Amino acid sequence: RKEVEQDPGPFNVPEGATVAFNCTYSNSASQSFFWYRQDCRKEPKLLMSVYSSGNEDGRFTAQLNRASQYISLLIRDSKLSDSATYLCVVNHGGANNLFFGTGTRLTVIP
Amino acid sequence: NAGVTQTPKFQVLKTGQSMTLQCAQDMNHNSMYWYRQDPGMGLRLIYYSASEGTTDKGEVPNGYNVSRLNKREFSLRLESAAPSQTSVYFCASSGWTVGQETQYFGPGTRLLVL
Repeated sequence: RKEVEQDPGPFNVPEGATVAFNCTYSNSASQSFFWYRQDCRKEPKLLMSVYSSGNEDGRFTAQLNRASQYISLLIRDSKLSDSATYLCVVNHGGANNLFFGTGTRLTVIP
Repeated sequence: NAGVTQTPKFQVLKTGQSMTLQCAQDMNHNSMYWYRQDPGMGLRLIYYSASEGTTDKGEVPNGYNVSRLNKREFSLRLESAAPSQTSVYFCASSGWTVGQETQYFGPGTRLLVL
């Protein structure tokens, strides 16, 4: 079983739509969680950390459900510039223990 | 601040050739990493260096060697390239941000081994 699993998509949504991605992880002892964004042929960049209580950054909301071992990312009012691949990342403890999902590809259509 | 820089951006090698990928960071981070990214797979850790003078194997170290030259620089060497090493290689360094250790990636090196 993979450490981190994501639906690869693609998700094609119109501008202004709300879209949600889920990610599941296998290790119940995982300690910290992140969403990274990766544009085509570019490096991953941190989008936001995911906290137990859930957290919001503008149009982006991240949630963590430890009991079910999944993480979600909600994007409201999608913009064309949100088109990218979103990587779910789970840390088992220590920065050398990061596990990356394969990513969910989002395309926002005009 | 340039962040994390990598050279070269692209490289084509023949099977059996050797090369070194260079990485440098100017954020004064202790820890640095080398990953590879292949289609349909998440980033996988090749080697990491928790501090200057130390290196450790990650998930997929076979066929690679690393050198932590100083606090800024961490290089990855392929001694005898194989087609299975065709990939995109990312270097990263990590530092603490808002109570969590966060990784920052370089722009990547696209390697094709023929």
